Amino acid sequence: GDSVTQMEGPVTLSEEAFLTINCTYTATGYPSLFWYVQYPGEGLQLLLKATKADDKGSNKGFEATYRKETTSFHLEKGSVQVSDSAVYFCALSEDPNFGNEKLTFGTGTRLTIIP
Amino acid sequence: EPEVTQTPSHQVTQMGQEVILRCVPISNHLYFYWYRQILGQKVEFLVSFYNNEISEKSEIFDDQFSVERPDGSNFTLKIRSTKLEDSAMYFCASSGETAQRETQYFGPGTRLLVL
Repeated sequence: GDSVTQMEGPVTLSEEAFLTINCTYTATGYPSLFWYVQYPGEGLQLLLKATKADDKGSNKGFEATYRKETTSFHLEKGSVQVSDSAVYFCALSEDPNFGNEKLTFGTGTRLTIIP
Repeated sequence: EPEVTQTPSHQVTQMGQEVILRCVPISNHLYFYWYRQILGQKVEFLVSFYNNEISEKSEIFDDQFSVERPDGSNFTLKIRSTKLEDSAMYFCASSGETAQRETQYFGPGTRLLVL
């Protein structure tokens, strides 16, 4: 079945450091890929998404590129801020046109940014 | 900005008791979901719901679970006889019938503790 493998955490970085959180996936079809973020005490918020190969999703300075050849969707940010401290989840859903809409999540990566 | 809401935010119950978790999806959305996250583990899909019926459910969603859309706004998850292992954060999500259907919007969650 579908699966998402995410970089183990926790990750601690200094403010303004470069961030990469690795995500690879296994899927039978052509999934859509997502990064969700969970700030302390809150629910899951969509951070960015990409729906086909070579698409780049971006939001709030974060980027991720859908790489079909390496089945990856790594999250990057050039300069992190303390406010980026959260848990980040990589997820996929199969093509909703085929009725498979459930999201399959990775384990989550806890990111802490220190001033 | 429209958002998914969930009540209660926390619930403590005794093993064997029934609980009902409530969600109000985004008003023009037609697809509804429940997920759960046991402490320290992945977010797991439970069930999806469309047009007043379950469209997909996971192995976790056994006969002890049921979902209902009793009116035009609420979407509920009922656990008939709770077990200790049902302790988790339960997230409701919804998505709309548009080209962006694959994007699910999550509520803040209900933390359920079964004693």
